[in-house]
Amino acid sequence: KAGVTQTPRYLIKTRGQQVTLSCSPISGHRSVSWYQQTPGQGLQFLFEYFSETQRNKGNFPGRFSGRQFSNSRSEMNVSTLELGDSALYLCASHPTSGGTDTQYFGPGTRLTVL
Amino acid sequence: KQEVTQIPAALSVPEGENLVLNCSFTDSAIYNLQWFRQDPGKGLTSLLLIQSSQREQTSGRLNASLDKSSGRSTLYIAASQPGDSATYLCAVNGGKLIFGQGTELSVKP
Repeated sequence: KAGVTQTPRYLIKTRGQQVTLSCSPISGHRSVSWYQQTPGQGLQFLFEYFSETQRNKGNFPGRFSGRQFSNSRSEMNVSTLELGDSALYLCASHPTSGGTDTQYFGPGTRLTVL
Repeated sequence: KQEVTQIPAALSVPEGENLVLNCSFTDSAIYNLQWFRQDPGKGLTSLLLIQSSQREQTSGRLNASLDKSSGRSTLYIAASQPGDSATYLCAVNGGKLIFGQGTELSVKP
């Protein structure tokens, strides 16, 4: 079974631009969660989508948004990029919502904001 | 608010040693606890998942325990190898994963 895929793997943007990241979960998994990893803050939860609905949201500004499609693929968008948005963005795939399943992570998208 | 702490932050051991990584959390209302491994610049690899009703899980040379009442988990690595060098993260799941800052492990040949 193929793992979680994320595209693109690397991205360089400038302040003020917007960016869209994509995540394809493991086949059959209906939940996708997104996390931001920075050296200072570590790994922080952004949001979770299940069956095209946002189920949970972390403490990030409204510039961070996401969506999920009927095939369970998910995208996250960051608008008006700031230098502090430079991070590794990871998505995790799990079969259901509710917190009881193992979460499987993709390789991440490394975003650099100049 | 859930807080997860991992001790030590870094650990260097010679090959062949058995070692223990520690994880503590402040809120025992969790569904499960998961241990991950992260190699530099890479994503996370799931090692073990312990449900809140379980006490321990084993996979190969790895054994993880969970004491929910005291808010502690340990990851035991037997007969460490240089290939075990990585950052080890624990995460508690109360509806979303809350991560510790990780333990950076270096196993010297």
